[in-house]
Amino acid sequence: EAQVTQNPRYLITVTGKKLTVTCSQNMNHEYMSWYRQDPGLGLRQIYYSMNVEVTDKGDVPEGYKVSRKEKRNFPLILESPSPNQTSLYFCASSLQGIVSYEQYFGPGTRLTVT
Amino acid sequence: AQSVTQPDIHITVSEGASLELRCNYSYGATPYLFWYVQSPGQGLQLLLKYFSGDTLVQGIKGFEAEFKRSQSSFNLRKPSVHWSDAAEYFCAVVAGSTLGRLYFGRGTQLTVWP
Repeated sequence: EAQVTQNPRYLITVTGKKLTVTCSQNMNHEYMSWYRQDPGLGLRQIYYSMNVEVTDKGDVPEGYKVSRKEKRNFPLILESPSPNQTSLYFCASSLQGIVSYEQYFGPGTRLTVT
Repeated sequence: AQSVTQPDIHITVSEGASLELRCNYSYGATPYLFWYVQSPGQGLQLLLKYFSGDTLVQGIKGFEAEFKRSQSSFNLRKPSVHWSDAAEYFCAVVAGSTLGRLYFGRGTQLTVWP
């Protein structure tokens, strides 16, 4: 089944404890992206990757890192999480960019930082 | 800076009534515009998109949207709403030279009364 998977789906952690949220797609997509969703703010893009080894900042990259070493995976790293990073995170992918090809979203990861 | 405004935070309609969700964008060049829907507890699904040609675009689930350059608007419409349309709707615009950055509006929550 073609899909975008995220792990974990739920995570409660403490301030400062490094964590990684994994994202994987099995559709051979070039483009991948991370978003965070907060009530009343909609979705905001954190980072995106047009293809392997190419990543760019989105709207809210501060406090996050990403890497794209292989096409299928695009992990989101929080080196020192803070409470203001408590949010719902979505990973997404598309075949090539997001203009001509539909973006497919993962199920989301709900992160709570205490 | 690019931005997307959805003026209505919450809209309530009766089942069978018509629907219009408003979206205004701020972007200098020809925009690439999208509408996404998020059902409760779900990820996002693309309803429709516009990037050139006919200014009236048809999407899935009976939705359509009209691009009006003079008003910087991309309003979503449906002639007859079904209870299953209750969800949150997001307007979005692609911007930037790499066409990888996606800006979302803050969303409009749709409630459908039986």
